[in-house]
Amino acid sequence: SQQGEEDPQALSIQEGENATMNCSYKTSINNLQWYRQNSGRGLVHLILIRSNEREKHSGRLRVTLDTSKKSSSLLITASRAADTASYFCATGGTYNQGGKLIFGQGTELSVKP
Amino acid sequence: DTEVTQTPKHLVMGMTNKKSLKCEQHMGHRAMYWYKQKAKKPPELMFVYSYEKLSINESVPSRFSPECPNSSLLNLHLHALQPEDSALYLCASSQLPSGASYNEQFFGPGTRLTVL
Repeated sequence: SQQGEEDPQALSIQEGENATMNCSYKTSINNLQWYRQNSGRGLVHLILIRSNEREKHSGRLRVTLDTSKKSSSLLITASRAADTASYFCATGGTYNQGGKLIFGQGTELSVKP
Repeated sequence: DTEVTQTPKHLVMGMTNKKSLKCEQHMGHRAMYWYKQKAKKPPELMFVYSYEKLSINESVPSRFSPECPNSSLLNLHLHALQPEDSALYLCASSQLPSGASYNEQFFGPGTRLTVL
């Protein structure tokens, strides 16, 4: 079963614009991760935010976490055509869960040059 | 070396065939995973190996048979598959989580499987 929903399901923007994707989850978490997947390829880990953190930055990425609303958002600033990909949030991965990750439904981002 | 490799990249097989997917990593990770991903859907976990032992089987049909011959290799043996098993099969590896820690997973590029 999947952990939750992501919205929007698809997002189309122009290069240079910012892209925001949202993820909601159902159960309490220790951490939340974001992954990127280029078309038909493997996933690449982008960033991890712990349950006691509210915001985290990595380059052009900014992730927020609101545990009271069970939601997270990923902001990509000054987007580039190379950011075109699917983005998934994932929860779990702890020892008690056997390392199991549960992915959200994903957001398909298209950045037009 | 931070790469997970998978072979073959593409595989077409009939419902009576037997084939195997292979995955390899040299990062010293002791946890390895198989995921199945249908088009426009998130990856779904199939199996987890920890220290070369099967630790999680997500109720996967027996026509899928995983094997972990050593700490670097992970195989997925396929037999009598159905057309609905056509998907992208992803392998991943990670450090073993311990206590409350959690680790990113490193994914291979996947094998695109088509069952005729």
